[in-house]
Amino acid sequence: DAGVIQSPRHEVTEMGQEVTLRCKPISGHNSLFWYRQTMMRGLELLIYFNNNVPIDDSGMPEDRFSAKMPNASFSTLKIQPSEPRDSAVYFCASSGDRYYEQYFGPGTRLTVT
Amino acid sequence: DAKTTQPPSMDCAEGRAANLPCNHSTISGNEYVYWYRQIHSQGPQYIIHGLKNNETNEMASLIITEDRKSSTLILPHATLRDTAVYYCTSGYSTLTFGKGTMLLVSP
Repeated sequence: DAGVIQSPRHEVTEMGQEVTLRCKPISGHNSLFWYRQTMMRGLELLIYFNNNVPIDDSGMPEDRFSAKMPNASFSTLKIQPSEPRDSAVYFCASSGDRYYEQYFGPGTRLTVT
Repeated sequence: DAKTTQPPSMDCAEGRAANLPCNHSTISGNEYVYWYRQIHSQGPQYIIHGLKNNETNEMASLIITEDRKSSTLILPHATLRDTAVYYCTSGYSTLTFGKGTMLLVSP
């Protein structure tokens, strides 16, 4: 099993540009989570999907952030336009019937200059 | 806000037991306690969970007090590879991670 796959691993972009982060969950898992981690705020849940449906997006910072899950094997997190304060490591995680046993991807380190 | 509190850091000698405490006096009676750890530059990794009884798996043991206000994660024989941030968390459909405890295992 390849585990949760995220791409890109590193992204450097300029303020105002659109950024798209990608995630492939573990096959068979029905829940997918997007987190953001910074030194100041720690690990924050942004949004989670169950069976491809967004269930809780209360952690999404603002309208510049959007997430989609068009099918069970793919999800995107988009930031448009990006700002320097969006710089962080973004993790995707997936889980099966035991929602608490989440498997995290390696993360995408985003730097917005 | 996280419902759990942990010390920011702890040290442990290699080969000794690491005992990581967590206070969770405000969690509900049917709310499980979960432990994760995050090794530097990696995503968090699930370790163990419990409700009332003590639990053990291949990674660690979890001791939960009878009043469920606190718990302790035990790594019986810590190794250098156990150096990580350890998170104690709870939740129903999602998990809220606090700042965790940075465990440093030294030779």
